[in-house]
Amino acid sequence: GEDVEQSLFLSVREGDSSVINCTYTDSSSTYLYWYKQEPGAGLQLLTYIFSNMDMKQDQRLTVLLNKKDKHLSLRIADTQTGDSAIYFCAEKGSNTGKLIFGQGTTLQVKP
Amino acid sequence: SAVISQKPSRDICQRGTSLTIQCQVDSQVTMMFWYRQQPGQSLTLIATANQGSEATYESGFVIDKFPISRPNLTFSTLTVSNMSPEDSSIYLCSVWDRGPDTQYFGPGTRLTVL
Repeated sequence: GEDVEQSLFLSVREGDSSVINCTYTDSSSTYLYWYKQEPGAGLQLLTYIFSNMDMKQDQRLTVLLNKKDKHLSLRIADTQTGDSAIYFCAEKGSNTGKLIFGQGTTLQVKP
Repeated sequence: SAVISQKPSRDICQRGTSLTIQCQVDSQVTMMFWYRQQPGQSLTLIATANQGSEATYESGFVIDKFPISRPNLTFSTLTVSNMSPEDSSIYLCSVWDRGPDTQYFGPGTRLTVL
């Protein structure tokens, strides 16, 4: 079936790079997504990558996709305290067309 | 990208009562979705709301507990009926944007049931 796994917690120092990892099971997924959820807020779409791409860069964000290993990562350069949030990885299931979410990774940025 | 608003943003309700959550989108969309996020958990899809037809519910969710209306292409409501403390969650409305193929979320409604 369709499943998405993430590590639950990551702590970094301000100014360092953060790398949040995600694995998924549906090799036919067309799109993969990263969402950010700040405390008490809804989900904000950060970025997405089409399955025929290996990498996508958007300012401080870099998404890497390894289709062979079904591994997705989100790198945040020069991490700031405002980046502290929960980050959700999601895939669009090829069978259902619905978003399948990971458990979310809590990013803690220490000053 | 679609701009989505929800009302109320939060509420505290008594056990046994019902709450209706509204979702408004700034553009016409075919499919709208309702999700639940229990404390400390990921998102779970409750149902898909299509205009002009009944909502399609996911396993574990039933219409009597979570009735949904979709009167037009920009608006939907989700009612949480006969609430219990286990219904305390954030409820999120969401829409697909087909160009590009992305899904956007409203700010959520934070519900606490006492």
